[in-house]
Amino acid sequence: AQTVTQSQPEMSVQEAETVTLSCTYDTSESNYYLFWYKQPPSRQMILVIRQEAYKQQNATENRFSVNFQKAAKSFSLKISDSQLGDTAMYFCAFMKLLMDSNYQLIWGAGTKLIIKP
Amino acid sequence: SQTIHQWPATLVQPVGSPLSLECTVEGTSNPNLYWYRQAAGRGLQLLFYSVGIGQISSEVPQNLSASRPQDRQFILSSKKLLLSDSGFYLCAWSVRLAGGLQETQYFGPGTRLLVL
Repeated sequence: AQTVTQSQPEMSVQEAETVTLSCTYDTSESNYYLFWYKQPPSRQMILVIRQEAYKQQNATENRFSVNFQKAAKSFSLKISDSQLGDTAMYFCAFMKLLMDSNYQLIWGAGTKLIIKP
Repeated sequence: SQTIHQWPATLVQPVGSPLSLECTVEGTSNPNLYWYRQAAGRGLQLLFYSVGIGQISSEVPQNLSASRPQDRQFILSSKKLLLSDSGFYLCAWSVRLAGGLQETQYFGPGTRLLVL
């Protein structure tokens, strides 16, 4: 069964620092997608970044980048020059293929990130 | 651009009362639609998904049901709410593009449901 593990329940850094959130997953599939979503206090779930497993190049979106280690099944998120608005819960998710060819996201438990001024 | 709406934003209901939460998507056709529930401080649990009108798949047995009466409308219902139905309900949509595995899910603003 596919699982997603986020080992850091909570992290706290100073504004402008760099922070890395860890995520590991377990799957026997060779082609899949991985996602990081952000959920601020408003509870709106916002896509941060997406990584295709067949791509060796790590995805980047402005200050957000991932370190994707396929063999190790690791998918960490790095936030550079952190800002107060980055304070949120961050969820790692793995895309699982269902029996009817639809897809389901398997979610980690989340990491609460606090950016301090 | 595509937008997704959910209402109501907040709902307080007594145990045993019925429920109807609505989700609509604009700016796209034939989306895949999803209902999730999130308990406080936890990740998301997939409740239902739909690949087309009238097509509903359930991931977990529960007190809830879903319907898709129109292409871009997804409704979550219950005949009699339980205390355990309290939570944050999120609707999401996605489009599967030709050529394989591309299905990012985009979420609505959510509905906070409190059952007393």
